[in-house]
This record gives sequence, C-alpha cells and structure tokens, in this order.
Amino acid sequence: DIQLTQSPSSLSASVGDRVTITCRASQTISRYFNWYRQKPGKAPEVLIYGATSLQSGVPSRFAAAGSGTDFTLTITSLQPEDFATYYCHQTHTTPWTFGQGTKVEIK
Amino acid sequence: EVQLVESGGGLEQPGRSLRLTCEASGFSFDDYAMHWVRQVPGKGLEWVSGINWNSATFAYADSVRARFTISRDNAKNSLYLQMNSLRPEDTALYYCVAHYHGSGGFRSPYWGQGILVTVSS
Repeated sequence: DIQLTQSPSSLSASVGDRVTITCRASQTISRYFNWYRQKPGKAPEVLIYGATSLQSGVPSRFAAAGSGTDFTLTITSLQPEDFATYYCHQTHTTPWTFGQGTKVEIK
Repeated sequence: EVQLVESGGGLEQPGRSLRLTCEASGFSFDDYAMHWVRQVPGKGLEWVSGINWNSATFAYADSVRARFTISRDNAKNSLYLQMNSLRPEDTALYYCVAHYHGSGGFRSPYWGQGILVTVSS
C-alpha cells in the first residue's frame, strides 16, 4: 500500500497567516493526488485535484505544488472558514490512502 | 449540478447485513469509477472499496474483503455496497465517491454527503 505522511498533524495560526501543509508518498504517484478541507460534521470538500489544479469555486488563496512523491498545500492568507482539518489523498493505486489529517486551529 | 446521494444506512446488530445505495446525477456516471470511503466520526478517512466504470474490476480494503460486495448499475446511475457480517468496527459515516480515471486528464472527484452506519447490539 502507498503510505501518505502528512505534516504537521496540527497547527495554530491567526487570521491572515500563511500556512503550508506537506504530504509525502511512499512511492511515486505522479499527479494522482488531491487535497481536501473538512469542517466538523461535513463531508470533505475538494480544494485541489491532479496535485495542482484548483477546484472550481475554491478561493485563490489556496495553492498547491508537487508531483511524484512530495506535495504541498499553501493557504496564503488564512480566513475564519479555513479553521478545519485538511487531508491529502492518493488515487494512483488501490487501496486509496489518505494522510492522517492536519487540524488548523485558531491561535 | 452534480449530486451523489447515499441511502440505506442506520442501526444494525453485529452479524447482520445492510445495503447502501448511492444515486448519482449531474454527470456521465459511466465515465467514472466509483468508490466507498468511510470515516469514524472524529477520525480519519479510510477507503473501503472501488469498482471501475463497467464493473470489470473491483477492489476491497483488507478490513472488509469477503464481507462487503460493491456493485453498480449504470442504467440506474447507482452504486451499491452490500455489507454482510457487520462488526462494531464498521460503524462509520460512509461516503460515495466518483473518480474519473480516463484519458481526458485529471478531473475533480465528486463526494456525497455521507450516510451513517451504526453496528451495535
């Protein structure tokens, strides 16, 4: 199985801060990779697909980079609605796997 | 508008069965592989099972293999998960996910809102 190591597991930040989350795959997955934001009690929301493509309707403060094994998600200016949990996800091979999540909390 | 609507969840006793259904609309269903992903409330995401566009190939997580069966009906734009021999550890929110895996490049996956399955005596 392909392991996804996501870091950090949690972080504290303020509105307006720049935040970066990383995810490393245990083997190359090209760009079969997505990022999600999940708010409590809601389904995961697609932010980024194909490693770098911004989902329609998602604000441009979200940006992503990477391919192969190393991926990053950057929020350039954190907004109140961004305090949530973020997951990375590979679809290169079944079993699909997910990162363990990054909880972004208010400082 | 794309919609994935799960149904069939609820409370069931250990050892019993449930059948989940996911009804899709707003996209070309038979262009997409379909998957089930589950999440224990407050925990992370776990892939359960997937099936390709024409039901020729399917796969299961080790934790559900031989107990769960995935299927689809393209004429009805529907995905199913037959869950047998339920265990308390199957308790989770179950999400239906549509994933494009064709020659047209990368596309965003579609997720349903989830359906709760509770296994308890």
